[in-house]
Amino acid sequence: TQLLEQSPQFLSIQEGENLTVYCNSSSVFSSLQWYRQEPGEGPVLLVTVVTGGEVKKLKRLTFQFGDARKDSSLHITAAQPGDTGLYLCAGHTGTASKLTFGTGTRLQVTL
Amino acid sequence: DTEVTQTPKHLVMGMTNKKSLKCEQHMGHRAMYWYKQKAKKPPELMFVYSYEKLSINESVPSRFSPECPNSSLLNLHLHALQPEDSALYLCASSQPASGRRKREQYFGPGTRLTVT
Repeated sequence: TQLLEQSPQFLSIQEGENLTVYCNSSSVFSSLQWYRQEPGEGPVLLVTVVTGGEVKKLKRLTFQFGDARKDSSLHITAAQPGDTGLYLCAGHTGTASKLTFGTGTRLQVTL
Repeated sequence: DTEVTQTPKHLVMGMTNKKSLKCEQHMGHRAMYWYKQKAKKPPELMFVYSYEKLSINESVPSRFSPECPNSSLLNLHLHALQPEDSALYLCASSQPASGRRKREQYFGPGTRLTVT
């Protein structure tokens, strides 16, 4: 069973602070996605990374895929209340359709 | 357009009822998925359809019956559910697994199901 462990599980910070969420596995992933999910809604795709060492930026969010494609991180600069939600990493192994989800990180940003 | 739609948004049903959840996408994707998500947990895969054929069934009880009438539609028929089946049911779509093709999954907003 491939597992994706996320840390921290829960993070409560104030507006303007920076944070990093980690997604780790002992398995190699051919691609990895990050999603944000708000309560009662479906996950929204933020980014896909496919190349080891790849870094992608989406406004204040920076995503990195580990060199060995076993881990990833999400860094948020100057967090805002709108960043509040459940952040999920999810990866594909090989050419399979099945997506393995991480354990999730719940982020709360307060004023 | 990266929209996946699901109906209904909310559903309350008794244990003897029969109901259906519906999902639609117009992105030309040929793989569609049903997930079940309990509160504060990641989504759990239930079924995968690839080119309108069932390719993965994650040992889901037979009271859940999926159907893929065409490449844009996915249904989940529900019958004789239990209270523990109450959850958020999510539909997703993607390109099917093939070589280096991107397999990003796009999710619908979900159906909040309550079984009484």
